[in-house]
Amino acid sequence: NAGVMQNPRHLVRRRGQEARLRCSPMKGHSHVYWYRQLPEEGLKFMVYLQKENIIDESGMPKERFSAEFPKEGPSILRIQQVVRGDSAAYFCASSPVRNSNQPQHFGDGTRLSIL
Amino acid sequence: KNEVEQSPQNLTAQEGEFITINCSYSVGISALHWLQQHPGGGIVSLFMLSSGKKKHGRLIATINIQEKHSSLHITASHPRDSAVYICAALRQYNTDKLIFGTGTRLQVFP
Repeated sequence: NAGVMQNPRHLVRRRGQEARLRCSPMKGHSHVYWYRQLPEEGLKFMVYLQKENIIDESGMPKERFSAEFPKEGPSILRIQQVVRGDSAAYFCASSPVRNSNQPQHFGDGTRLSIL
Repeated sequence: KNEVEQSPQNLTAQEGEFITINCSYSVGISALHWLQQHPGGGIVSLFMLSSGKKKHGRLIATINIQEKHSSLHITASHPRDSAVYICAALRQYNTDKLIFGTGTRLQVFP
């Protein structure tokens, strides 16, 4: 029973390029959360999605960032025209139902480095 | 002031010592998570609790809802316990947004 799978583990991009981060939730989980961990800082909520719906994107930067969770396939966090300040670890978590008494399960993260 | 505060920020211990990490929060919550993060590694959920106390192996987590305080204890600490421990509050009222503390970096020396 595979856990939350994120890929790639490490991603290097030059300024101005696009970064695509993928997250496959645990089997049976339809709720996905994205978090960002800036260097030497704590984790911060970015966005919460359910299949084909964005439920809460209050933590997403207003520009360049978008997220989707299509009916088929993984959830994608997309960062356009990356800048140095986007360098961070991006974590995905999943849960089976909303606001449940079960913990969110985290992936191993994608470390994004911007040159 | 952060809505979730942890102390201490850094903690050093000798193998075998009893360790306590504290977490205080200022918001209404429906549950509190304790997470473990190894250097360069992923995040593992240790506990999710909304009242009382939970135990798993050498780890114990407690929460006092009235005082808005939780503690994570590690008994008979071991070098492999070295990691960053993070508490995260799940807000009340139909939200799934976790609010994270800044973490406690624990190093256990043999």
